[in-house]
Amino acid sequence: EPEVTQTPSHQVTQMGQEVILRCVPISNHLYFYWYRQILGQKVEFLVSFYNNEISEKSEIFDDQFSVERPDGSNFTLKIRSTKLEDSAMYFCASGTVGTGAGEQYFGPGTRLTVT
Amino acid sequence: EDQVTQSPEALRLQEGESSSLNCSYTVSGLRGLFWYRQDPGKGPEFLFTLYSAGEEKEKERLKATLTKKESFLHITAPKPEDSATYLCAVWMDSSYKLIFGSGTRLLVRP
Repeated sequence: EPEVTQTPSHQVTQMGQEVILRCVPISNHLYFYWYRQILGQKVEFLVSFYNNEISEKSEIFDDQFSVERPDGSNFTLKIRSTKLEDSAMYFCASGTVGTGAGEQYFGPGTRLTVT
Repeated sequence: EDQVTQSPEALRLQEGESSSLNCSYTVSGLRGLFWYRQDPGKGPEFLFTLYSAGEEKEKERLKATLTKKESFLHITAPKPEDSATYLCAVWMDSSYKLIFGSGTRLLVRP
């Protein structure tokens, strides 16, 4: 059964460093998302991406964040200068449709620890 | 403000003891309501999408229902392997994002 994959599973970085989180969405999906979950809190939407551009972003997704689909299979989230409060689980999701009927399938997550 | 509230926060059941989880929502223009299962340290696993009031969906011991203000996830004769956090999320008109509730932590004891 197709699934979303993410690498690395755990990333430790120092405050102020840049990190890139990688995702391989399900192959025939066209819509891509990043969410995050701070320990003990709700899953929060960060950004959605369709047709090589951002279709929606949250207030969390400021200038320190960027997304890219560098080739036909990968989808990345870059945090330019990490802060302690960026420590969280980051989930990539993909879906077949956006504002039509559809589901979002989540990857296993990358645990980001900023020290 | 758009809100999704799940209750109870935690639920302990004996194996075979049926119960229901609640997800109430106040959003403008519901397009769909999603149920996910999340195991510790893992990503949400898709269970159901409901699109209109009165709709029901079933999968093994789980049954999800939807009204205009809330959704229920009914668990019939649960087993220990059903222990997980169950998340509810709403999808609104003219938006791509899902808004999640805080989840219900379910523990089923043998």
